[in-house]
Amino acid sequence: DAGVTQSPTHLIKTRGQQVTLRCSPKSGHDTVSWYQQALGQGPQFIFQYYEEEERQRGNFPDRFSGHQFPNYSSELNVNALLLGDSALYLCASGPGLAREQYFGPGTRLTVT
Amino acid sequence: AQTVTQSQPEMSVQEAETVTLSCTYDTSENNYYLFWYKQPPSRQMILVIRQEAYKQQNATENRFSVNFQKAAKSFSLKISDSQLGDTAMYFCAFMKPKTSYDKVIFGPGTSLSVIP
Repeated sequence: DAGVTQSPTHLIKTRGQQVTLRCSPKSGHDTVSWYQQALGQGPQFIFQYYEEEERQRGNFPDRFSGHQFPNYSSELNVNALLLGDSALYLCASGPGLAREQYFGPGTRLTVT
Repeated sequence: AQTVTQSQPEMSVQEAETVTLSCTYDTSENNYYLFWYKQPPSRQMILVIRQEAYKQQNATENRFSVNFQKAAKSFSLKISDSQLGDTAMYFCAFMKPKTSYDKVIFGPGTSLSVIP
């Protein structure tokens, strides 16, 4: 049984560009959350998707957007990249009324 | 708003000894979940242990156990017989399971080094 998978593993982008990160949840999970983890800090909640709708959002600007597909996989899009967007982006999935979330290995985004 | 605090940025322990990591949190909720996550240098976030607030009994998973003090809003992690593979960042985390649409709130983390 595959766990949460994310692609790509690493990504280097230039300031002002746009990026799309992808996540496939663990089998049987229908809720997907995205987190940003800056170096040396704890993850910060970006948003959560359930039934293809954004259900909750953290304190992130509209440059951060997402999508959930019918197969429960999800994408995180970031427009107009800033140097401060450089971070590890973690995807987590859970089953319905989740008691915990299972995390993927993350995508390391570097903005130059 | 819920907050999670970890007052020990870095800790070290000798192999085979016991170490305790501290965590405090702030919430007005009565029912919630608390977690300890481990993030090794390979960066995969792994759930170590989970505590449900309505359960008085402290959770235990093999060498890992917690001391949950609900009134004091304290949730410490004890690692017994420390192993080199325990070297990692440890995050205390909180989740309010009112609905299925709830985020996990993380503390800033404690970097644990197990010394041979």
